[in-house]
Formats: sequence, structure tokens, C-alpha cells
Amino acid sequence: ETGVTQSPTHLIKTRGQQVTLRCSSQSGHNTVSWYQQALGQGPQFIFQYYREEENGRGNFPPRFSGLQFPNYSSELNVNALELDDSALYLCASSPANPSRQGSTQYFGPGTRLLVL
Amino acid sequence: GENVEQHPSTLSVQEGDSAVIKCTYSDSASNYFPWYKQELGKRPQLIIDIRSNVGEKKDQRIAVTLNKTAKHFSLHITETQPEDSAVYFCAASGDTGGFKTIFGAGTRLFVKA
Repeated sequence: ETGVTQSPTHLIKTRGQQVTLRCSSQSGHNTVSWYQQALGQGPQFIFQYYREEENGRGNFPPRFSGLQFPNYSSELNVNALELDDSALYLCASSPANPSRQGSTQYFGPGTRLLVL
Repeated sequence: GENVEQHPSTLSVQEGDSAVIKCTYSDSASNYFPWYKQELGKRPQLIIDIRSNVGEKKDQRIAVTLNKTAKHFSLHITETQPEDSAVYFCAASGDTGGFKTIFGAGTRLFVKA
């Protein structure tokens, strides 16, 4: 198993509420990416944080926002929850790569979010 | 927008046979191509990866090939075993004014004993 941890493991919310998910990166990693994985589908890239700044973003609306802290842990915030936001949310950490080529991402166990 | 197509969606093989999964990507800036195995209820786990300056890479029973010109990359598993049964995802990563990783839709592999 990787050293990436996520909390909580499961969460139930109602439509319109807000949620915060947390991720602790593996030791020595300063890059965190977040993904949404709906049932039976591949992970969808939400965004990536590198040294506390957003470094790239997928096709998700602004109500999906994030933060990275000085210890490189990260939060994913989702406002105004919709039923379609029900999914497994995965974070993945990776070491910095000075060449800017992709580097190996290590996934956490995920947070399963259910929106009713 | 950027896209990764993965085929087949389902693959059933007899134990000991080979399995091949193919992916095509659209973003020419993609330069890193990992493959992940995901068992039911578990996190994706990296099984092999390849960078754009390499055409082929092998690790025991698993190999990956990359054709940058055609924007194709493939996963080859030889001597399949029942424990290889899982969902496999390909992905393509790159940075053009912002980093992105795009995953394929997955291939469900069944290895029959």
C-alpha cells in the first residue's frame, strides 16, 4: 500500500450542501492530484496542486476548489452538491519532477461520497 | 478536448493466454503513460509506465509499447493468472499551460482458470 491517506472514508450529504475531503501525501511528495471516479468509469482529473498552487485543472466547474498546505497535504471542497457528484474521490501524490515530465502518482484509498 | 480511448471494454482469456489492451490519446503534448490495475473496492495501483522517449518497456509478465506517431500505446500481459483479473486503466499525462492526466474508461479483464 502507498503512504497516501484520505479522510473520511465514506460520507453522505444532501443536495445543496458543501463538503470538504482531505488527503495526506506520501512522505517526500510535494504534488497532489484529485480525481473523481464514478461507478464503472475511469478516474476524471479534477486538478493538481504543486507547492501550494494549482498547477492544472480538468473540466470541472468552479464549485470544485482545492487547497494545498505547507506540509503538502490537501483539501478538496465541493459547494452546492448535486446528485451527480456521488462518486469515489481519489487523491494521488507524486514527487516533484524537475524535467516536468509526468511522474508516478500513488493513489490514496479514496472517499466515497453519496449525495441524496 | 483531450481524450484517451481504451479498447476493449471487457476481455476474457483462459489462464496462461496473453491479454492485450490498447489505448489511443489525442493530446500530442502527452509525455507520460501509466497503466493502473484496480481491484473491486480498492485504489488504482500502478503496474507499469512509459515515458515518451521510450518505445517499449517490460517488467516480468507485463510489457507496454508506445507509438508516438500514431498516438497509440498498449499493455501486454503474458501467461495470465486468475489473480490478474481486475479493471485496467491506461492514462496519458502532459503539461501544456497546465498539467493534466486523462484516463481511459477501463478494461475489465477476466482470467478463467
